[in-house]
Amino acid sequence: AQKITQTQPGMFVQEKEAVTLDCTYDTSDPSYGLFWYKQPSSGEMIFLIYQGSYDQQNATEGRYSLNFQKARKSANLVISASQLGDSAMYFCAMREVSGAQKLVFGQGTRLTINP
Amino acid sequence: GAGVSQSPSNKVTEKGKDVELRCDPISGHTALYWYRQSLGQGLEFLIYFQGNSAPDKSGLPSDRFSAERTGGSVSTLTIQRTQQEDSAVYLCASSGQPAGKETQYFGPGTRLLVL
Repeated sequence: AQKITQTQPGMFVQEKEAVTLDCTYDTSDPSYGLFWYKQPSSGEMIFLIYQGSYDQQNATEGRYSLNFQKARKSANLVISASQLGDSAMYFCAMREVSGAQKLVFGQGTRLTINP
Repeated sequence: GAGVSQSPSNKVTEKGKDVELRCDPISGHTALYWYRQSLGQGLEFLIYFQGNSAPDKSGLPSDRFSAERTGGSVSTLTIQRTQQEDSAVYLCASSGQPAGKETQYFGPGTRLLVL
């Protein structure tokens, strides 16, 4: 069965610092996708970045990058030059390509950026 | 273009009443998903529609929950004889492809409170 683990319930960082949010996953499917979503206090789920299991390079989207270590089954999100607006819940999620099309989510990490 | 929309944004109901939650996916998206976000359970998959195929109902927690998708577009999630444990945020998402790396885009959610 698919499983996503986010071990950091909360993180506090200073503005402008880089921050790494941890995510490990477990799946028996060789083909899968990994996603990160941001959920601010307003409640909307905002897509940030995607990594495919066969992608050769780590995904990047602006200040977001995904540190994908396939052998270790980890997909950590790196936010560079953090901003106050980055304060939110962050969810790691996975979808198996051949299996059910649902996203399986981790429990989330609450990130707080301090001025 | 317009994103996923959901209505109502908030719903307060009495235990035992039926409720209907509506989702309008992004135009042209063939796949539609319902998820539930509650404090104790995190984000959990409920049901998935893809085109004219039979829906994947594997996540529905009980037979009080049902959903339909009319004309391959708008979807309605119905909860009959609501219970207090049904209180949660119900999120709808849509994507343009049934599988692969296609991202699921979420609506703002419906916050359901059962008194």
